[in-house]
Amino acid sequence: DVKVTQSSRYLVKRTGEKVFLECVQDMDHENMFWYRQDPGLGLRLIYFSYDVKMKEKGDIPEGYSVSREKKERFSLILESASTNQTSMYLCASSLVFTGELFFGEGSRLTVL
Amino acid sequence: GENVEQHPSTLSVQEGDSAVIKCTYSDSASNYFPWYKQELGKRPQLIIDIRSNVGEKKDQRIAVTLNKTAKHFSLHITETQPEDSAVYFCAASWNNNDMRFGAGTRLTVKP
Repeated sequence: DVKVTQSSRYLVKRTGEKVFLECVQDMDHENMFWYRQDPGLGLRLIYFSYDVKMKEKGDIPEGYSVSREKKERFSLILESASTNQTSMYLCASSLVFTGELFFGEGSRLTVL
Repeated sequence: GENVEQHPSTLSVQEGDSAVIKCTYSDSASNYFPWYKQELGKRPQLIIDIRSNVGEKKDQRIAVTLNKTAKHFSLHITETQPEDSAVYFCAASWNNNDMRFGAGTRLTVKP
């Protein structure tokens, strides 16, 4: 079974703090994604990466950055957390050939 | 970029009835259209997908139809059961890359 592991299930941070969300997949998938899930808004793409050191902006990249130094790991960084970044963050990975996304369990971030 | 719209946002049916969820997309280059099911407190999981060279695909009680000319695709669930209750998301992408999702449909199946 494909396993996508997100480092933290629940985080509480203060406004202005730097936040790191890490995601690791164990199936040698080329593609990795970060989504944000909010009620009524679905899954909104923040960034995705199709190869090591490659990244593409999604629909809501403002206030976020990403890092992919190794194929299995994709990190989401909030340089200066704000209250409107309180949300559920979902990481996913996929093979380019098949396209099926495998999601992590999610990281629920609260910014106070 | 791609924009996916999904309707309805909520859907309530009686057990045994059919449910239909509809999505439209904006980018005519999109060629892969999956559907994901997310049960309460769990991660989304793929339930069925369709590619642009196919008009319809069926897997037991679920089916997906695609109309490329109109840029819309639909999920059909027949003989609904309480365990079908979940949030369903449609998505679209070009060549399996940047996957964009609809806003989701909360389906409730009443026993």
